[in-house]
Amino acid sequence: QKEVEQDPGPLSVPEGAIVSLNCTYSNSAFQYFMWYRQYSRKGPELLMYTYSSGNKEDGRFTAQVDKSSKYISLFIRDSQPSDSATYLCAMSAEKLTFGTGTRLTIIP
Amino acid sequence: DTAVSQTPKYLVTQMGNDKSIKCEQNLGHDTMYWYKQDSKKFLKIMFSYNNKELIINETVPNRFSPKSPDKAHLNLHINSLELGDSAVYFCASSQGGLKSPLHFGNGTRLTVT
Repeated sequence: QKEVEQDPGPLSVPEGAIVSLNCTYSNSAFQYFMWYRQYSRKGPELLMYTYSSGNKEDGRFTAQVDKSSKYISLFIRDSQPSDSATYLCAMSAEKLTFGTGTRLTIIP
Repeated sequence: DTAVSQTPKYLVTQMGNDKSIKCEQNLGHDTMYWYKQDSKKFLKIMFSYNNKELIINETVPNRFSPKSPDKAHLNLHINSLELGDSAVYFCASSQGGLKSPLHFGNGTRLTVT
């Protein structure tokens, strides 16, 4: 079993919809949780960084961490075509471990 | 202005050749990394340096050798390239060690023919 599981998609939703992206993990030592966005032929860029269970909001993005269920989510409200990218979850204990990424397309 | 820059952007070479990829960061970070991203977008750490000292060396063939002349630079040299080495290689940096968020370069797309 992989330490971090992420549905690779692809996921296509119409513009304006709410997007939900999820990861599960098995290592209870993970303490720091991140979401990265990667556009085609670019490096991943940090979107959200959280430490504890609960929600963190930044504009249209909300990161949610449930340590008891070992489950993290990223919600995108009012999705835009510019949100089309691959989204990678990442989490760390001793070092950063990435999920495999979910490819998201927002249809105008 | 580029925070983490790596060169070249594209590298096409034949099996058996030796090649190098260079990386520089101007963020003042103390830790630098090399990651490999395969065709399925999975990012796997290869090496990490903290203040020029190697702190992570994952199971990577000896043909791969990182070098950090100073804490702002981390280069990757690959000997005797093989077809399976074809991938995108990302340099990244962070401040505060291995748990901290990473800043990535835009990658070097290596194709071995």
